[in-house]
Amino acid sequence: SAVISQKPSRDICQRGTSLTIQCQVDSQVTMMFWYRQQPGQSLTLIATANQGSEATYESGFVIDKFPISRPNLTFSTLTVSNLSPEDSSIYLCSAVTGIDAKNIQYFGAGTRLSVL
Amino acid sequence: QKEVEQDPGPLSVPEGAIVSLNCTYSNSAFQYFMWYRQYSRKGPELLMYTYSSGNKEDGRFTAQVDKSSKYISLFIRDSQPSDSATYLCAMSLSSGSARQLTFGSGTQLTVLP
Repeated sequence: SAVISQKPSRDICQRGTSLTIQCQVDSQVTMMFWYRQQPGQSLTLIATANQGSEATYESGFVIDKFPISRPNLTFSTLTVSNLSPEDSSIYLCSAVTGIDAKNIQYFGAGTRLSVL
Repeated sequence: QKEVEQDPGPLSVPEGAIVSLNCTYSNSAFQYFMWYRQYSRKGPELLMYTYSSGNKEDGRFTAQVDKSSKYISLFIRDSQPSDSATYLCAMSLSSGSARQLTFGSGTQLTVLP
């Protein structure tokens, strides 16, 4: 398995500001993902974080709003820009270690964001 | 129509009951099926993993996949208060994007002592 550390665990931000979330994995991973989980909702994939290149975004998510970096195999950041109350949500990082053939995704504990 | 449908509950059962959680899906290309458990204020943790159709048992948990009906289930025997959590079904395609998961909306389960 993999241990995924995500920080901050929660934050309260003002409208118009930005929040950067960090995700650190304790072992080398093949893929890293960022999800959003709104209250009472399922997980929605924001993007796949690609090492050394631009992230691959899902429909409805754009780089200007959710810039992502992945400078190495075990670390990624997600920035939520120009915050509005609609961005209040839980943001989750996940990783696939590739240790076995199952491509299991492991998740961090999430970052709970509230926008005032 | 969502690709994966899951009854959100909430579901409340007495300790010791058998719990049945279910998901239906529309994409016949899904090949990998998972159940994640998510405790309050925690990230999802993998509970069960199944490839294609069939049953898989792990302790008190049994996962069933019926690809002909596009229906998956998770059974919990002798449920415990510690099983109280949200259970998310997830599935992925057979190749290429196999690592991308499509989640159900989650079922909130409470096991009463």
